[in-house]
Amino acid sequence: SYELTQPPSVSVSPGQTARITCSGDALPKKYAYWYQQKSGQAPVLVIYEDSKRPSGIPERFSGSSSGTMATLTISGAQVEDEADYYCYSTDSSGNHVVFGGGTKLTVL
Amino acid sequence: QVQLVQSGAEVKKPGASVKVSCKASGYTFTGYYMHWVRQAPGQGLEWMGWINPNSGGTNYAQKFQGRVTMTRDTSISTAYMELSRLRSDDTAVYYCARVTHPALWGRGTLVTVSS
Repeated sequence: SYELTQPPSVSVSPGQTARITCSGDALPKKYAYWYQQKSGQAPVLVIYEDSKRPSGIPERFSGSSSGTMATLTISGAQVEDEADYYCYSTDSSGNHVVFGGGTKLTVL
Repeated sequence: QVQLVQSGAEVKKPGASVKVSCKASGYTFTGYYMHWVRQAPGQGLEWMGWINPNSGGTNYAQKFQGRVTMTRDTSISTAYMELSRLRSDDTAVYYCARVTHPALWGRGTLVTVSS
């Protein structure tokens, strides 16, 4: 079955740039989406279609995709950005959604 | 107000079934696929499948094939997810969601499977 691979954890100091990667064989042809989930809350979409930002999401959140890897970048990470981040995409058929395993971002 | 309101927490015994509801409001229910995603305690998000509220067509993750049934009632803008033959490792928060943009998630329904 199709898998998306993320690093389990990323740690940065406040004000630094955090980069979270997501690798998958179908990413050259399929969009990546990124969710932020804080403890006890439902996920929030922060990036869709590789690089688009929903309204209300701070400009410090950006996304990119190249080859089999998508990247979520948080420029000038803030303490309130501490959360779990999940990428998601579809397999090559487009029918099955898959989430990455999640990355815990620590900002301290 | 655009929202998804899910049914309340459930406690079930192993082998039983659970049916979770998800009522949509504030938007055209038939205009967006409804996905079901679950999250076991301390674990990541796991996609279970989707239903096309317009046609009733479904697509399930292979892991849940044969155990999950997703249905909808367009007259009341409500989607349902039924999971059968419950096991202890089905204990999780179950979310209904529009996962693509514009994303919209319910608050989740905790299903506890315990003898």
